[in-house]
Amino acid sequence: QVQVQESGPGLVKPSETLSLTCTVSGYSISSGYCWGWIRQPPGKGLEWIGSICHSGSTRYNPSLKSRVTISVDTSKNQFSLRLSSVTAADTAVYHCARYTIITSPLDVWGKGTTVTVSS
Amino acid sequence: SYVLTQPPSVSVAPGKTARITCGANNIGSKSVHWYQQKPGQAPVLVISHDSDRPSGIPERLSGSNSGNTATLTISGVEAGDEADYYCQVWDTGNDLVVFGGGTKLTVL
Repeated sequence: QVQVQESGPGLVKPSETLSLTCTVSGYSISSGYCWGWIRQPPGKGLEWIGSICHSGSTRYNPSLKSRVTISVDTSKNQFSLRLSSVTAADTAVYHCARYTIITSPLDVWGKGTTVTVSS
Repeated sequence: SYVLTQPPSVSVAPGKTARITCGANNIGSKSVHWYQQKPGQAPVLVISHDSDRPSGIPERLSGSNSGNTATLTISGVEAGDEADYYCQVWDTGNDLVVFGGGTKLTVL
């Protein structure tokens, strides 16, 4: 059974870079599928951040594209999110998830990790 | 950008039928997915590709999609169905995932 789990600092200072990692178990990340990041501000809905596929191709939400980098470390079976120049508006629960191809659903989700941006 | 519109809330008595809509221009031409999210938990896929139920999802949940509206229908609503529900499509023109704003289902 494929599982994904987020990890990273729970507190980030304004203007700094948020860095999170998603560890995949039960499947080799280099074998296929695409892997994405989604966030949910407190009391609000889901927002797509971006994704990376096993081919290395990336897709980013245009509203965040200038600040986002998603990368893969196949040796650790992990993929990562970096979000630069954070503000309080980036405070959210960050989830990682899996999908097969464009138009397919996000069928495996992590429980999420809470990131607070505050000095 | 492509916008999905959901009602903020839907209330239904136990045993009745709940219908949660997801509206957008010509959404019937897209594949719609639905997620259930309970407080403090990750979203769970409950309907994929308009009307397919993943393994383990009860038959009480069903989906449809036509014209400008996709609908998630929950028959024989139970207290355990109380949750937030999100619709989702791919905006293939802009190459990104789009979520609806979410609907809070309250079981009276």
